[in-house]
Amino acid sequence: KAGVTQTPRYLIKTRGQQVTLSCSPISGHRSVSWYQQTPGQGLQFLFEYFSETQRNKGNFPGRFSGRQFSNSRSEMNVSTLELGDSALYLCASSLEGERGGNTIYFGEGSWLTVV
Amino acid sequence: QKEVEQNSGPLSVPEGAIASLNCTYSDRGSQSFFWYRQYSGKSPELIMSIYSNGDKEDGRFTAQLNKASQYVSLLIRDSQPSDSATYLCAVSGGSQGNLIFGKGTKLSVKP
Repeated sequence: KAGVTQTPRYLIKTRGQQVTLSCSPISGHRSVSWYQQTPGQGLQFLFEYFSETQRNKGNFPGRFSGRQFSNSRSEMNVSTLELGDSALYLCASSLEGERGGNTIYFGEGSWLTVV
Repeated sequence: QKEVEQNSGPLSVPEGAIASLNCTYSDRGSQSFFWYRQYSGKSPELIMSIYSNGDKEDGRFTAQLNKASQYVSLLIRDSQPSDSATYLCAVSGGSQGNLIFGKGTKLSVKP
């Protein structure tokens, strides 16, 4: 069974640009969550999508957005990039979502560097 | 803001020893507890989940949960150098609805 797939794995962007990251969940998983990981802040929850609806959102500015498609694949977008957005962005999938205590499984992440 | 606290370490233990990793959480309504291992430059991978008070064993790993004390721990027996990683405690089922992660404890197992 294929795991969570994230693309691209590595990317470098310039301040002010925007970026889109993609995530394909494990087959059959309907919930996709996104996390930002930085050395100082650790893993921080961005948002969760379930059946194409945003079900939960963390404390990030509106520059961070996401969506989920009917096949459960998800994308997240960061507009007007700032240096502080440099981080590992992790996608995680689960059957029914974190609220129900379901185990989440992480993809390998997308390393974003903003210069 | 609900929190999960872990000692950042580094925790250094000799090969073959027992490594003890601890985690406390603030949301008394939390119901699901997870330990993830993260190697440097890699994504977190699930080691264990625990949902009820007491101990849960899986190979060399034992998770312990005490909801009254809002405390969860992970014991690694016969520690190996390959266990050297950052261990993340995660908690869910509380008021926030999503998994909340601690910042992790870095474990170093010396040969």
